[in-house]
Amino acid sequence: GQQLNQSPQSMFIQEGEDVSMNCTSSSIFNTWLWYKQDPGEGPVLLIALYKAGELTSNGRLTAQFGITRKDSFLNISASIPSDVGIYFCAGQLRETSGSRLTFGEGTQLTVNP
Amino acid sequence: DAGVTQSPTHLIKTRGQQVTLRCSPISGHKSVSWYQQVLGQGPQFIFQYYEKEERGRGNFPDRFSARQFPNYSSELNVNALLLGDSALYLCASSFGETQYFGPGTRLLVL
Repeated sequence: GQQLNQSPQSMFIQEGEDVSMNCTSSSIFNTWLWYKQDPGEGPVLLIALYKAGELTSNGRLTAQFGITRKDSFLNISASIPSDVGIYFCAGQLRETSGSRLTFGEGTQLTVNP
Repeated sequence: DAGVTQSPTHLIKTRGQQVTLRCSPISGHKSVSWYQQVLGQGPQFIFQYYEKEERGRGNFPDRFSARQFPNYSSELNVNALLLGDSALYLCASSFGETQYFGPGTRLLVL
């Protein structure tokens, strides 16, 4: 089945630094999404990307849908303590049998004040 | 507007028992999907339902079943529970392509 490789697995940064994480796949996707999950809660949608090459921003977050449709990256600028959490990429492929999400294994972000 | 709601929030069962988890989608959303998230991993797709019909099924055994009701709410049933079924079970609803997740039900099987 499809697998997403998400890196890095974890990051330890100082407040104010920029962060970059990415996902690669062996298969193409129609949609790439980035979620953030806090302990004990469900994933919260940060950014959705619908077209190859698309670059989208949401405040301090910027994400891009790779031109090959097999990769995506997420950048966080000027990190703050509340950015702490696990970030997941997810690829979505629209099929006749529905549209399931395939998730990466997550990037654990720690921000030191 | 209320987001996706799930009940119960936590549940403890013993091996061999059966469990039913419930999900109410965002108002206006007709599609519901279920995911299993084991500690330290990303969510894994279990089922998707649209207009009360199953639209997709992940690589889970037949002990897992689900259904969607006319009001678009959904239930996930797991029979003959195993220790390995301990996980956070997430429900997501969608109107178009974008899926929005609920807070999940934490299931512990002893």
